[in-house]
Amino acid sequence: DAGVTQSPTHLIKTRGQHVTLRCSPISGHKSVSWYQQVLGQGPQFIFQYYEKEERGRGNFPDRFSARQFPNYSSELNVNALLLGDSALYLCASSLLGGQSVQAFFGQGTRLTVV
Amino acid sequence: AQSVTQLDSHVSVSEGTPVLLRCNYSSSYSPSLFWYVQHPNKGLQLLLKYTSAATLVKGINGFEAEFKKSETSFHLTKPSAHMSDAAEYFCVVSDSGGGADGLTFGKGTHLIIQP
Repeated sequence: DAGVTQSPTHLIKTRGQHVTLRCSPISGHKSVSWYQQVLGQGPQFIFQYYEKEERGRGNFPDRFSARQFPNYSSELNVNALLLGDSALYLCASSLLGGQSVQAFFGQGTRLTVV
Repeated sequence: AQSVTQLDSHVSVSEGTPVLLRCNYSSSYSPSLFWYVQHPNKGLQLLLKYTSAATLVKGINGFEAEFKKSETSFHLTKPSAHMSDAAEYFCVVSDSGGGADGLTFGKGTHLIIQP
C-alpha cells in the first residue's frame, strides 16, 4: 500500500517567488494536514483540511494557503517567499478529521529559499 | 491552548541500557498524547499513542509510555537501547476537545546510542 506521497522532494526557490507543494494521502483518508519543520525544531501546524474544507489553521501569515481536491489530494501554496520559509514541509493524512486519530506522515518536501 | 515541553534536547545512553525521554504537557481538555520518531532523511513514524484508555501505553520496538495526569507527564521508556534507536523523538499533544489546533510537537530529543 502506498503511504503519503509528497512532491517534489527537494526545491530551491528565490526570495519573492511563489511555490506549490503537493500531497497525496493514503487511499481512503479524507483528512490532510500540513506542517512546517524548521531545522532543529519540531514540526509546526499550518493547516488541516477535511472533506475539502479548511478545519484548522495555525499561526502562519496569509502568504500561506492550501486547498484539498475532490480526490482528497492537497496543495500548499506559499507566496512572496522569505528566507525564513526554508524548511521541511510535511504532509499528514488521517481517516477522519479528529486530531486524536492517528496521522501518517509523508517524507516531506525540503524547501530552500535563497 | 495546548503545549508540550521535552525536558532534554539530547540524551545519550549505552547500548543495552534503559532509555528515558521526558515530556510534560499542557492542555485545556482531555488530551491525546503521542510519541513520534524521526530517523535522518525519513518521515515521522508513530511509536505509540494515549487516548484516555489505559495509562500505560505500549508501542512499537519495545517502547512504552505512562500517562500521569497529576504530573502532566508522558515520559517514554525502553528497557534496553539498541543502536537502531538513535534518532530524533517528538512528544506530541492534541486537544481532543474538538478544537482544530492540529498536533502540537515538542522541540524534540535527540537520542544518541553509545556502543
